[in-house]
Amino acid sequence: DGGITQSPKYLFRKEGQNVTLSCEQNLNHDAMYWYRQDPGQGLRLIYYSQIVNDFQKGDIAEGYSVSREKKESFPLTVTSAQKNPTAFYLCASLKGGQGGNEQFFGPGTRLTVL
Amino acid sequence: AQTVTQSQPEMSVQEAETVTLSCTYDTSENNYYLFWYKQPPSRQMILVIRQEAYKQQNATENRFSVNFQKAAKSFSLKISDSQLGDTAMYFCAFMTSDSGNTPLVFGKGTRLSVIA
Repeated sequence: DGGITQSPKYLFRKEGQNVTLSCEQNLNHDAMYWYRQDPGQGLRLIYYSQIVNDFQKGDIAEGYSVSREKKESFPLTVTSAQKNPTAFYLCASLKGGQGGNEQFFGPGTRLTVL
Repeated sequence: AQTVTQSQPEMSVQEAETVTLSCTYDTSENNYYLFWYKQPPSRQMILVIRQEAYKQQNATENRFSVNFQKAAKSFSLKISDSQLGDTAMYFCAFMTSDSGNTPLVFGKGTRLSVIA
């Protein structure tokens, strides 16, 4: 089945550690996105990529980094510079162009800093 | 910059009744898309309904319909014959249509509880 997978489902991090959240899609979508969800805040954009080897910062990019070496993969690294990383992280993808404007979401990763 | 406002943090409705969730947005764009997403307790985001701004006809999907008022920049969601499975967070979202790949801008959500 085509879809978006995120791993792990739950992730615990000690302060000062970098961690990487995985996002993979087999939908042949061009664009991919990372959102952060906090209680009462809705979803806020961290980074997005419209094409391989290219990405743009979103509204809350500080303390995060991404790469887009393959069309299928868009990993997010939460660095020690992110002061309040505990949140729910959602990855999404979109075909774009004539392929449609619906973003498909993965199941999410819950990150907790200990 | 575009903004999306959902003024109702929480709502409740009796099973089988009708409920309307409000959403307003601000943009200077003329062409764009509007969406309602549902996030049940599983936290999986599910597209409920979408509306293209250039279409005057309101979108409908089974029990879900929208009231799109472009001049007023309003995009409300009506859920008819509410079911227990409709209990979820509902997010209104906006996307510009320049390339179709731009990110979504979300409202802060409305938590809907359907009561038996």
